[in-house]
Amino acid sequence: NAGVTQTPKFQVLKTGQSMTLQCAQDMNHNSMYWYRQDPGMGLRLIYYSASEGTTDKGEVPNGYNVSRLNKREFSLRLESAAPSQTSVYFCASSEIGRQETQYFGPGTRLLVL
Amino acid sequence: AQKITQTQPGMFVQEKEAVTLDCTYDTSDPSYGLFWYKQPSSGEMIFLIYQGSYDQQNATEGRYSLNFQKARKSANLVISASQLGDSAMYFCAMREGGSEKLVFGKGTKLTVNP
Repeated sequence: NAGVTQTPKFQVLKTGQSMTLQCAQDMNHNSMYWYRQDPGMGLRLIYYSASEGTTDKGEVPNGYNVSRLNKREFSLRLESAAPSQTSVYFCASSEIGRQETQYFGPGTRLLVL
Repeated sequence: AQKITQTQPGMFVQEKEAVTLDCTYDTSDPSYGLFWYKQPSSGEMIFLIYQGSYDQQNATEGRYSLNFQKARKSANLVISASQLGDSAMYFCAMREGGSEKLVFGKGTKLTVNP
């Protein structure tokens, strides 16, 4: 079991460029999430998907779009990157049940110049 | 208003000693869950322990235990017998009942000294 995987690990973009961050999980989880982590901050939720075919906004959705491609994959797209989007991005998935613990991928470091 | 507050930006502990990392939360929902995650310098987020609001006993997982004081709305993480590998950022998080969203505190940086 790989758990939650993310690609790429690191990316440098110029302002205005677009890119898609990929996330996949092999734990058969229904829910998936995208967070960003900025220096000195905890994680903030960008978007989440409670099930295949559904997506909802989190705390900081502006400037991002998401696609739940199937049960395994959840991608995050930056259409026109801005320096304020320089951050570490984490994907997570959660089990169904009492706890619904979220398990995280290794993160993607994004630098927007 | 902050839903999760971690008041200790940094903590130091000697190897083999116990340490308590503070977390207070704010919710009016009677059903909620509290989580602790560890983030080592390598960057990944590692789940440590969970406490449900209706759980009668404090959660324990190996050297980790959660000191859950519901009336005070606190969920402090206790690490016993600290090891050098425990040096990391520690985040407290809460999910309110019926919500998919996990809200994180700003974290505490723990340094374990030899």
